[in-house]
Amino acid sequence: NAGVMQNPRHLVRRRGQEARLRCSPMKGHSHVYWYRQLPEEGLKFMVYLQKENIIDESGMPKERFSAEFPKEGPSILRIQQVVRGDSAAYFCASSPLDGSYEQYFGPGTRLTVT
Amino acid sequence: AQSVTQLDSHVSVSEGTPVLLRCNYSSSYSPSLFWYVQHPNKGLQLLLKYTSAATLVKGINGFEAEFKKSETSFHLTKPSAHMSDAAEYFCVVSVRNAGNMLTFGGGTRLMVKP
Repeated sequence: NAGVMQNPRHLVRRRGQEARLRCSPMKGHSHVYWYRQLPEEGLKFMVYLQKENIIDESGMPKERFSAEFPKEGPSILRIQQVVRGDSAAYFCASSPLDGSYEQYFGPGTRLTVT
Repeated sequence: AQSVTQLDSHVSVSEGTPVLLRCNYSSSYSPSLFWYVQHPNKGLQLLLKYTSAATLVKGINGFEAEFKKSETSFHLTKPSAHMSDAAEYFCVVSVRNAGNMLTFGGGTRLMVKP
C-alpha cells in the first residue's frame, strides 16, 4: 500500500520560471492538502482540495499560485513566475474522510529558486 | 480560529533521560491534537493523536502525550531518550468545522547528547 507520493523531490527553477509540483494521494483517499514549510519554520496550510473541487484556499497567496485535483491523475500545485521567496519545502497530505482521520504526509518537494 | 504554541524552540537532553516537549493550543471548538516528527530532509511522521477519547495517548517509539483541557496543553513525553529521537517535533491542532486543515506549532528541535 503505497503512501503519499510527491514528485519531484527536488526542483530548481530560475526566477520567472514556472514550478509544477505533483502529489498522488494514498489509495482510497479523496482529500488532498498542500502545506508550505519555509526554512526554520513550521508548516503553513495552503489549500484543501477534493476531486475536481477547491474546498479551501485561504492559505494560498493571491497571485501566481494555483492548485488542482482533477478527476484523474495527481493533484498539482503550480507556481508561476517564481521568486526567491518561493524557495521552501512543499508538502502534500491526504486523508480518506473529512474530519475522521489524520492526514498522511508525502516526503515533500524542495523547491529552490535561483 | 485555532493556534498552537510550542514553548521551546530547542530542547537538549542526554541519552537515557526523560524528554518533555511542551505544547499549548487555542481553539474555539473541540480540537483534535497531533504530534508529528520530522527527521532532517524527510517528510512528517505521525507520532500520536488525540481525538476526544482517552486523554492519555500512547504513540510510537515510546512517546505519549496527555490532553489537559483545563490547561489547554498537550505536552509530549518519553521516559528515556534515544539518540535516534533527535529530530524536529511539531504539535498540531485540527478542528472539524475548519475544513480539518492542520495548524502547526513552530516546532521544537530535540537534541540528544550521548
